[in-house]
Amino acid sequence: GAVVSQHPSWVICKSGTSVKIECRSLDFQATTMFWYRQFPKQSLMLMATSNEGSKATYEQGVEKDKFLINHASLTLSTLTVTSAHPEDSSFYICSALGGGPIHFFGQGTRLTVV
Amino acid sequence: GQNIDQPTEMTATEGAIVQINCTYQTSGFNGLFWYQQHAGEAPTFLSYNVLDGLEEKGRFSSFLSRSKGYSYLLLKELQMKDSASYLCAVRDTGANNLFFGTGTRLTVIP
Repeated sequence: GAVVSQHPSWVICKSGTSVKIECRSLDFQATTMFWYRQFPKQSLMLMATSNEGSKATYEQGVEKDKFLINHASLTLSTLTVTSAHPEDSSFYICSALGGGPIHFFGQGTRLTVV
Repeated sequence: GQNIDQPTEMTATEGAIVQINCTYQTSGFNGLFWYQQHAGEAPTFLSYNVLDGLEEKGRFSSFLSRSKGYSYLLLKELQMKDSASYLCAVRDTGANNLFFGTGTRLTVIP
């Protein structure tokens, strides 16, 4: 089956620093990747959609200058949380689409900003 | 807008059958998905329905009625490891985005 690898699994950073999260499709080419965040006991909230080689499309209310998304190749998308603050602490998950309708998810990244 | 409703929590007994319902009201529809998510982990794909009817896959089955905006996930022969959240998601037309419900936390008890 299709495998999506997300790295790191967890990260702790100081307030004001930036954190980069990687999402890789290991055995397929991902035409589109998605980034979500999830607060405890809540469902996934779509943050942005990224297509290879083009700018990401952000959902309403998501700051594009704070959450930088780069999709430089068909197997890699990155999410950079810039100038992180404690309220950015959350579980961030990526998903990837190949040629079919099924979204395959990465393992998620738990970000804690102290 | 998109509105996807599921019960928040359910409890069932090991070995039993449980049905998790999902109703949706979305501006477009191009398929409904069920995912399983254990705490602190990413969702794993369970099933996909785009036409009306029942899709069966081992102990898991999913049903869709597009006219009623309704789906259910049926889990048979429940095992303790089935304790997890079950997420219903709808794909919009013209886009590949998935819109998720709040998820149903299922607890399987001995």
